[in-house]
Amino acid sequence: GAVVSQHPSRVICKSGTSVKIECRSLDFQATTMFWYRQFPKQSLMLMATSNEGSKATYEQGVEKDKFLINHASLTLSTLTVTSAHPEDSSFYICSAREWASGDRSYEQYFGPGTRLTVT
Amino acid sequence: AQKVTQAQTEISVVEKEDVTLDCVYETRDTTYYLFWYKQPPSGELVFLIRRNSFDEQNEISGRYSWNFQKSTSSFNFTITASQVVDSAVYFCALSEGLAGANSKLTFGKGITLSVRP
Repeated sequence: GAVVSQHPSRVICKSGTSVKIECRSLDFQATTMFWYRQFPKQSLMLMATSNEGSKATYEQGVEKDKFLINHASLTLSTLTVTSAHPEDSSFYICSAREWASGDRSYEQYFGPGTRLTVT
Repeated sequence: AQKVTQAQTEISVVEKEDVTLDCVYETRDTTYYLFWYKQPPSGELVFLIRRNSFDEQNEISGRYSWNFQKSTSSFNFTITASQVVDSAVYFCALSEGLAGANSKLTFGKGITLSVRP
């Protein structure tokens, strides 16, 4: 199956700094990428949906100025957590969707996740 | 609005037992997709199955089987002869519509399965 990578896998940063997480589709072009957040022992919550070359669509309650998403190409999306605080500590998972027009369907692949700890 | 309910939160079984993980969904769409994912302790989501709303055939893949019942809006997952490596969190998920590029995947809360030796 297709592979989605995330970098870094773990990051520890100090409160007030910004952190950038990269998500890449390695062997396919992703029409759409998604960013999820998962707190310990909880489900995945969708943060935003992004399409290449356009602004991301954020879910209700997600601060767009705090969680900056850039989808510069069909294989790369980045999430920047700006002015991070301890409550931003979480597991961030990206997902890339490959559209199969023949089937009018898609395959969605998940990255391995990035564990962010803000001290 | 779409919703996925996984009423069981934690299940513990002894190796070789069969275990069924329940999933009930709500949607107003007639066309939708249902999924099961496994999340082992490493955190990476592992895709298990996708089923569209027009295909009610049950599916078996090795020790895994899925029972899709539109009449009860359920998509249950059974592991036969469970193994310790099956220990993980299992998520059921739903995507509405014709699976357009931006259709959202809604996850249930997940079921933590522990298989004891």
